Amino acid sequence: GIQVEQSPPDLILQEGANSTLRCNFSDSVNNLQWFHQNPWGQLINLFYIPSGTKQNGRLSATTVATERYSLLYISSSQTTDSGVYFCAVDGRGSTLGRLYFGRGTQLTVWP
Amino acid sequence: KAGVTQTPRYLIKTRGQQVTLSCSPISGHRSVSWYQQTPGQGLQFLFEYFSETQRNKGNFPGRFSGRQFSNSRSEMNVSTLELGDSALYLCASRYGDSYEQYFGPGTRLTVT
Repeated sequence: GIQVEQSPPDLILQEGANSTLRCNFSDSVNNLQWFHQNPWGQLINLFYIPSGTKQNGRLSATTVATERYSLLYISSSQTTDSGVYFCAVDGRGSTLGRLYFGRGTQLTVWP
Repeated sequence: KAGVTQTPRYLIKTRGQQVTLSCSPISGHRSVSWYQQTPGQGLQFLFEYFSETQRNKGNFPGRFSGRQFSNSRSEMNVSTLELGDSALYLCASRYGDSYEQYFGPGTRLTVT
């Protein structure tokens, strides 16, 4: 299967700081999604971004498919940004529809 | 439009019992996938159903099974529960063969 690696595994910031989360993947993909897992366990969709750049408020993401990585930027962090951020990719061919997840980045934002 | 719903949200079972979890996808979505999340293994794919047919299956033992109904609602069943089956079970739906998946709130299963 596709290998997905996220870094850093843990990130501690003070409110107002900026951060960059990275996702590397081992093969060509059709889909790349970033999720934020809330304290109750639900995965909240942040971006569907198989290539290119998108922005949504303080969050933005860039995927360079040819180099097999994606970056999630969080600017002016708030305490509500705390939680685990996951990157997931969808394999091509027979594994279409199956998401492969990284181990996540645990973000803690202090007031 | 309502999101993906899962029932029950929490469940406690005893080793050896069986359990059935339910997932209702977003209206109009015909694909439902199931994932297991544990601290040790992370998020792992169980299976995917589309139009009542299992299209894809992960590396889980036969004790894990699922089905999908004509209204796209899906159930997964785990028989002969083991302590290691304690996990958060998440389901996701997507529209047709589009790639973006949307997740439900999950069912937290504890096996004692």
